Amino acid sequence: SAVISQKPSRDICQRGTSLTIQCQVDSQVTMMFWYRQQPGQSLTLIATANQGSEATYESGFVIDKFPISRPNLTFSTLTVSNMSPEDSSIYLCSVGYGGDYEQYFGPGTRLTVT
Amino acid sequence: AQSVTQLDSHVSVSEGTPVLLRCNYSSSYSPSLFWYVQHPNKGLQLLLKYTSAATLVKGINGFEAEFKKSETSFHLTKPSAHMSDAAEYFCVVSVTGTASKLTFGTGTRLQVTL
Repeated sequence: SAVISQKPSRDICQRGTSLTIQCQVDSQVTMMFWYRQQPGQSLTLIATANQGSEATYESGFVIDKFPISRPNLTFSTLTVSNMSPEDSSIYLCSVGYGGDYEQYFGPGTRLTVT
Repeated sequence: AQSVTQLDSHVSVSEGTPVLLRCNYSSSYSPSLFWYVQHPNKGLQLLLKYTSAATLVKGINGFEAEFKKSETSFHLTKPSAHMSDAAEYFCVVSVTGTASKLTFGTGTRLQVTL
């Protein structure tokens, strides 16, 4: 499995501002993903971060709100734009490996919007 | 479409007694199934996975799960609970042959009492 780090680990932000979350992996991976976990809820996939092309967003998530970059095979960023208190969540990145389709998750970024 | 249903939102057991966390799945194709655990303020950890090999799958920390196609179930068990098992458990499905899109259940909170 990979070692995955995220920065920041937590942040408190004011509404209307934006926050960029970084995800770093210690090895090259083809597939990276971003999830949101709202308080007391399960995980919901935001998008698949594709290296060298636009991210693929799930229903209910749009690029203007959650722009994603994937400049290389070990790094990705997720920006939460124009934040509102409803964006308060844990944001997790994950990486996937080939055949068995399991994913390994970063420690998460706990975001609070006031 | 694929989905998982975790039948219990909260399970409480005494230390040393068996654990049973129930999960039913729905998938149009051959599924891959996973159990993840999330300890408080920690990231997600993969407990075990089923990927069409043996139907009885052994994972870490003494957990195991049995894939039963006729019942569309993938229940998680452990013979003897330990205090350190207290956490949130997620049943997850992925459709074999697709790009690793994981669908999470709503989670079961396991409480272990003395």
